[in-house]
Amino acid sequence: ELKVEQNPLFLSMQEGKNYTIYCNYSTTSDRLYWYRQDPGKSLESLFVLLSNGAVKQEGRLMASLDTKARLSTLHITAAVHDLSATYFCAVIIQGAQKLVFGQGTRLTINP
Amino acid sequence: DVKVTQSSRYLVKRTGEKVFLECVQDMDHENMFWYRQDPGLGLRLIYFSYDVKMKEKGDIPEGYSVSREKKERFSLILESASTNQTSMYLCAISPGTDHTDTQYFGPGTRLTVL
Repeated sequence: ELKVEQNPLFLSMQEGKNYTIYCNYSTTSDRLYWYRQDPGKSLESLFVLLSNGAVKQEGRLMASLDTKARLSTLHITAAVHDLSATYFCAVIIQGAQKLVFGQGTRLTINP
Repeated sequence: DVKVTQSSRYLVKRTGEKVFLECVQDMDHENMFWYRQDPGLGLRLIYFSYDVKMKEKGDIPEGYSVSREKKERFSLILESASTNQTSMYLCAISPGTDHTDTQYFGPGTRLTVL
């Protein structure tokens, strides 16, 4: 059974600081997704990582994938208040279309 | 833009009622999914469908059924609602032909069962 774990689950940080959210998964997969969810809203796709060593960047967010370690990171650079949200990683089960989600990381950035 | 709509944003029902949640897409995508989202548990897959009239159980199908009579519409049915089905329900779609398999989500329906 594929399990996906995020760390930390809650993160409060100040504007201007850097931090990293970790996503570990338990079995082989070659595709990993990061989503953002604002309070009361639905999930918005941020990144799709398709291969070992893949790195994607959008503004102050950068995601990477290490399939050998079964680990993805979402790095926040010089955080701003607008990045406050809950971030989910999800991993696809090989051979299927099914996604398995992590618990989510609630990120709060204080001015 | 990908458009996924859900029939209600908020719904309040009583225990034992039959509840229908509807999801409609305008993207002609093959795959449609129903999830529930609960605090601390992330999203959990209830059912999904690869094509019209086809359905597959997800990780937590008990107490739910689905219907997909037309490609653009995927309904989630709670045959006899119970209080432990109080949750946020999210519908998602994916193309089936896109190698990224990215799923796109609807706005969600917050269901309260009293």
